[in-house]
Amino acid sequence: EIVLTQSPATLSLSPGERATFSCRASQSISSSLGWYQQKPGQAPRLLIYDASSRATGVPARFSGSGFGRDFTLTITSLEPEDFAVYYCQQRSTWPLTFGGGTKMEIK
Amino acid sequence: EVQLLQSGGGLVQPGGSLRLSCAASGFSFSSYAMTWVRQAPGKGLQWVSIINDSGRRAYYEDSVKGRFTISRDNSNNMLYLQMNSVRVEDTAVYFCAKDITAASPDYYFDSWGQGTLVTVSS
Repeated sequence: EIVLTQSPATLSLSPGERATFSCRASQSISSSLGWYQQKPGQAPRLLIYDASSRATGVPARFSGSGFGRDFTLTITSLEPEDFAVYYCQQRSTWPLTFGGGTKMEIK
Repeated sequence: EVQLLQSGGGLVQPGGSLRLSCAASGFSFSSYAMTWVRQAPGKGLQWVSIINDSGRRAYYEDSVKGRFTISRDNSNNMLYLQMNSVRVEDTAVYFCAKDITAASPDYYFDSWGQGTLVTVSS
């Protein structure tokens, strides 16, 4: 099973700042990684797939990068609605797995 | 508009059974792989199972293999998760979700149900 390790566990930032989330895979997964956003009481929302492709309707301030084992989700100029938990997910190998999540809170 | 409307959660005793349902609308249901993902209270996301568009192929996370069965009824746009021999550790909110790509699944999920809580307790 591929283990995805997300860091940091918590990110404290202010609106307008830049956010950077990290996801490291236990083995190479090429570019087979997605990112999701989840707000309290809501279902997850797909933001990024194949490491760097934005899902339909996702604002341009969200971008993804990485290949192999190390991946990054970046949000430029945070909006108030961006404060949420972010998860990475790999689809390279069964079983599909998610990272433990990074919670971004308002500083 | 894509909609996934879930039903069937609730309280079940350890060792019991429960069936979750997910009614799909707004897209060509029979063209997409569908999945179940769960989230234990206060915890992260865990993939549970996936079924291909035709319903002929399914995969399961190891802890539910042999106990849970995913199925679909393409004529009625319905997805199901039959949960047997449930355990306390199966307690979670269960989400159904749709693959991002028709016919040839990409195993990313772009539309999700509202979630349904399953509580396993005596």
